[in-house]
Amino acid sequence: ETGVTQTPRHLVMGMTNKKSLKCEQHLGHNAMYWYKQSAKKPLELMFVYNFKEQTENNSVPSRFSPECPNSSHLFLHLHTLQPEDSALYLCASSRAGQNTGELFFGEGSRLTVL
Amino acid sequence: QQQVKQSPQSLIVQKGGIPIINCAYENTAFDYFPWYQQFPGKGPALLIAIRPDVSEKKEGRFTISFNKSAKQFSLHIMDSQPGDSATYFCAASNASNTGKLIFGQGTTLQVKP
Repeated sequence: ETGVTQTPRHLVMGMTNKKSLKCEQHLGHNAMYWYKQSAKKPLELMFVYNFKEQTENNSVPSRFSPECPNSSHLFLHLHTLQPEDSALYLCASSRAGQNTGELFFGEGSRLTVL
Repeated sequence: QQQVKQSPQSLIVQKGGIPIINCAYENTAFDYFPWYQQFPGKGPALLIAIRPDVSEKKEGRFTISFNKSAKQFSLHIMDSQPGDSATYFCAASNASNTGKLIFGQGTTLQVKP
C-alpha cells in the first residue's frame, strides 16, 4: 500500500466515449503527477500539479484533460481517444518543492481503447 | 539531451548471481539519480538513489555505481533472489524541475531459482 489509490484499475472504452481516471493520495503531499506507461517505452510524464496549479504539460494531446480540485485528488478526463492511447496510466505524488525526485506511485489504471 | 538510456532491455540470472543494469545520460544539469523497482500489477517504487557527489551507494544487496565524467550509472544486485524478479527503471532529475523524473526504458530481470 503506497498511499496513492487509483480507480478504476481497468477501463475499456470506445473511441467516442468519455471517461475519467481518479487518483487520491493520503500522504499529505502537495504535488501530483500523471505518467503514461506503454510497453517497451520509458514512463512518459504527462502533467504535473503543484499546490493544485498545473506546472507542467508535456505536450499532451487535448483529448487528455487533467483536473486537480485539491492537493489530495487528481483526475484525468478522457475523450475521443485513439487506440494508441491504450496504456497503463500512473498517478504519483510527492512533497512539492523537494529536489529528491522521490515519487510515490499508485498501481495504475490499465486503459484499453477499442 | 533529456533522454536517459538504459540497458539491457531484459536480463536472466541464476539465484545468487549479480545482475548489472546500466544507464547513461546527457544532461549535465541532472543531479539526482534514483532507481525504481516495479512488480507486475504494481506501480514503480523507489529502490535506491544517488547524487553525483558520491561514486557509490549501498543499501542492503543493492548498489549504485556512479561515473560522473562518463555520465553513466549502474545498479548491481548482490546475491540476487527470485523475489528480485521485477522491472527496474533508472531515472534522473534536477533541482530546477522538482519531481520531474526522466525515466529509462526499463530492464526486466528474471532471477531463476
